[in-house]
Amino acid sequence: DAMVIQNPRYQVTQFGKPVTLSCSQTLNHNVMYWYQQKSSQAPKLLFHYYDKDFNNEADTPDNFQSRRPNTSFCFLDIRSPGLGDTAMYLCATSRGPGRAETQYFGPGTRLLVL
Amino acid sequence: DQQVKQNSPSLSVQEGRISILNCDYTNSMFDYFLWYKKYPAEGPTFLISISSIKDKNEDGRFTVFLNKSAKHLSLHIVPSQPGDSAVYFCAASVANSGNTPLVFGKGTRLSVIA
Repeated sequence: DAMVIQNPRYQVTQFGKPVTLSCSQTLNHNVMYWYQQKSSQAPKLLFHYYDKDFNNEADTPDNFQSRRPNTSFCFLDIRSPGLGDTAMYLCATSRGPGRAETQYFGPGTRLLVL
Repeated sequence: DQQVKQNSPSLSVQEGRISILNCDYTNSMFDYFLWYKKYPAEGPTFLISISSIKDKNEDGRFTVFLNKSAKHLSLHIVPSQPGDSAVYFCAASVANSGNTPLVFGKGTRLSVIA
């Protein structure tokens, strides 16, 4: 089945220790998104790629970076995680960037920063 | 400031009855609205959407109503089934010539009791 896969599903890291979260998709979609969802909060868009074009949300901290080496993969790098970065990180894809394009989400990576 | 608000964190409904989930928004530029459903340990999945040119969209047991003057939309599930138990996210998007990120609400946890 075509899908959005996230690895790892659970990640524990220490304060300040860099961590990378992975997302892959078999849908051949052009757009990939990273969202952060803290407990009982709304998913918040961090950034997205439309093909190779990177779009950063204005309030995404510099501590968060992303890479998309090819159509299938997208990575979220957190350079120096703080306690406040403990959250669920959701990857999503869509065929195109338009508002009517359905976003398909992965299961998420739950990150705990100690 | 939350632009998309789901003021009820949780809702319990008897099986077979109607579930009504509410969503309010503040940005009058929003013109496309979506509902996503999320089961535990899974990513959100698209459920139904509505454009601002309509006031109702129906898909099987699911109907979304939009009241633009009140900046309010609601999702009706009739009849409710135990498998509908999940977290429901309302999301909105602004008409734009470029990329249009979704703005999510915090979600409402629906429990359908058999």
